[in-house]
Amino acid sequence: EAGVVQSPRYKIIEKKQPVAFWCNPISGHNTLYWYLQNLGQGPELLIRYENEEAVDDSQLPKDRFSAERLKGVDSTLKIQPAELGDSAVYLCASSVSSGGADTQYFGPGTRLTVL
Amino acid sequence: SQQGEEDPQALSIQEGENATMNCSYKTSINNLQWYRQNSGRGLVHLILIRSNEREKHSGRLRVTLDTSKKSSSLLITASRAADTASYFCATDEGGRGGSEKLVFGKGTKLTVNP
Repeated sequence: EAGVVQSPRYKIIEKKQPVAFWCNPISGHNTLYWYLQNLGQGPELLIRYENEEAVDDSQLPKDRFSAERLKGVDSTLKIQPAELGDSAVYLCASSVSSGGADTQYFGPGTRLTVL
Repeated sequence: SQQGEEDPQALSIQEGENATMNCSYKTSINNLQWYRQNSGRGLVHLILIRSNEREKHSGRLRVTLDTSKKSSSLLITASRAADTASYFCATDEGGRGGSEKLVFGKGTKLTVNP
């Protein structure tokens, strides 16, 4: 079974430039998550989708971050414009919502460096 | 914000020894999970323990949960060099009991020396 796929794996941009990350979840997983992980820290949730609906985006900085999950499968996370402090690893995860305790499966992440 | 707080922040042991990591949290939870992250790789789910469970085993892993103290421990027995990684606890604050919102700690960096 293929895991969560993310691209690109690495991205270097200059500040004020836009950037986009793409995630393809595990087939059949209806819940998709975007996390941000700073160096030496644990992941922090940015947004959670159930199918195509964003059900928790309370931690997403909406002035510069946006996300979409068209058709309830792939998702993109965009930053415009990027700031120096956005340098981090952006992780995508997916799970099957079973009404019980769900295991989240993580992709390898996209490491963003803003110069 | 991060709820879980792992202790120690870093741990270095010799191959074959046991490694114990602790996690403390602040609010009521539905379940607690442990994840491993190797250098340059994504997080991998290790084990989940529900709030009504006290101990759980999976291979060389043993997890305990004390809800009265709001703490959990992860024990890795007979460690191997391949266990070198960062270990994170994550608490589930989902209202329905599902893992809708995992709150991760800062992690314990484990080094197992051959």
